[in-house]
Amino acid sequence: AQSVTQLDSQVPVFEEAPVELRCNYSSSVSVYLFWYVQYPNQGLQLLLKYLSGSTLVKGINGFEAEFNKSQTSFHLRKPSVHISDTAEYFCAVSGYGSSNTGKLIFGQGTTLQVKP
Amino acid sequence: GAVVSQHPSRVICKSGTSVKIECRSLDFQATTMFWYRQFPKKSLMLMATSNEGSKATYEQGVEKDKFLINHASLTLSTLTVTSAHPEDSSFYICSARAHTGELFFGEGSRLTVL
Repeated sequence: AQSVTQLDSQVPVFEEAPVELRCNYSSSVSVYLFWYVQYPNQGLQLLLKYLSGSTLVKGINGFEAEFNKSQTSFHLRKPSVHISDTAEYFCAVSGYGSSNTGKLIFGQGTTLQVKP
Repeated sequence: GAVVSQHPSRVICKSGTSVKIECRSLDFQATTMFWYRQFPKKSLMLMATSNEGSKATYEQGVEKDKFLINHASLTLSTLTVTSAHPEDSSFYICSARAHTGELFFGEGSRLTVL
């Protein structure tokens, strides 16, 4: 079984400042890791994913995340945020290889509030 | 990119009525679709896995007689909330799995039960 913990429920930050949204996971098997963004009253949009290979993953909208197996973390970062980045961000995990059923386990979400 | 459409995007109904929400994969075939429920300020909770041509697999604690799922074709899955009550009010999101294994999410359907 897998679980995901997003350590911060809300992250306020000023425009053009850097931001890090933290995510830790727990799993007895290897996993795939994802970050999704959700704007108000909308579905989910994939920001980036880690499947294998390089532990630094670059996604859309200038976001990147680093997979750290020893710390079981997959923190999301952006060097300079914009007002338009204000949204809910979800970290998610799914099983790897034959354990990948397509089911995603989501973290609790982090609200990123970008202030002018 | 691949698109998943949900309909309706918003629905308001009276308590005791049933509501059907559709999830369609518009440009790919999806043998597997997933239904999630999202409470306000909360994460997404997986309700069930919908497999084309077979019965849905429900997560623990989800009432299968309450939330009926039908996956009649490779591009359509439906979620019917039967005898809806105010506590069923929520944001329901589906995702569809392409043959590559990639998942695509719908825009969500907000159900309000009066």
